[in-house]
Amino acid sequence: DIQMTQSPSSVSASVGDRVTITCRASQGVSSWLAWYEQKPGKAPKLLIYAASSLQSGVPSRFSGSGSGTDFTLTISSLQPEDFATYYCQQANIFPLTFGPGTKVDIK
Amino acid sequence: EVQLVESGGGLVQPGGSLRLSCAASGFTFSSYAMSWVRQAPGKGLEWVSSVSGTGGSTYYADSVKGRFTISRDNSKNTLYLQMNSLRVEDTAVYYCAKGIASFGPFDYWGQGTLVTVSS
Repeated sequence: DIQMTQSPSSVSASVGDRVTITCRASQGVSSWLAWYEQKPGKAPKLLIYAASSLQSGVPSRFSGSGSGTDFTLTISSLQPEDFATYYCQQANIFPLTFGPGTKVDIK
Repeated sequence: EVQLVESGGGLVQPGGSLRLSCAASGFTFSSYAMSWVRQAPGKGLEWVSSVSGTGGSTYYADSVKGRFTISRDNSKNTLYLQMNSLRVEDTAVYYCAKGIASFGPFDYWGQGTLVTVSS
């Protein structure tokens, strides 16, 4: 199975800050990497697919990069509604696996 | 508008069974793979199972293989998850999710249904 790790596990940031979250796969997943945002009590929301493609309706302050085993989600200017938990997921091979999540909270 | 609405969750004793349903609308259901993803209380996301658009291909996490069965009825635009031999560790919110292309990632999710396995 492909193991996904994320760092940091949590980050405290202020509105307007640039936030970067990294995701690493235990083996190459090409560009089959997605990022999700989840708020408490809500279903996850797809932000980025194919490592760097912005899902329709997602603000352009979100961006993704990487390929192979190392990936990054960047929020260029953190907004109040961005405080949430972010998960990466590899969709290259079964079992599909998620990272453990990164919680972004208010400093 | 794409909508996925899960139902069938509830309280069940260890060893019991439950069938979850996910009613889909707003897209051509038979054209897309569908999946179940669960989230234990306070924990992260765990992929459970996926099924192809035709229903001919199915995949399972090792943690549920042999106990859970995914299926779909394309005439009813409905996805199912039959859960047998339930364990305490199966307690979670279960989400159905639509694949954006191939089996993943997932561009639409239902609101989730809570399954509690407890005596």
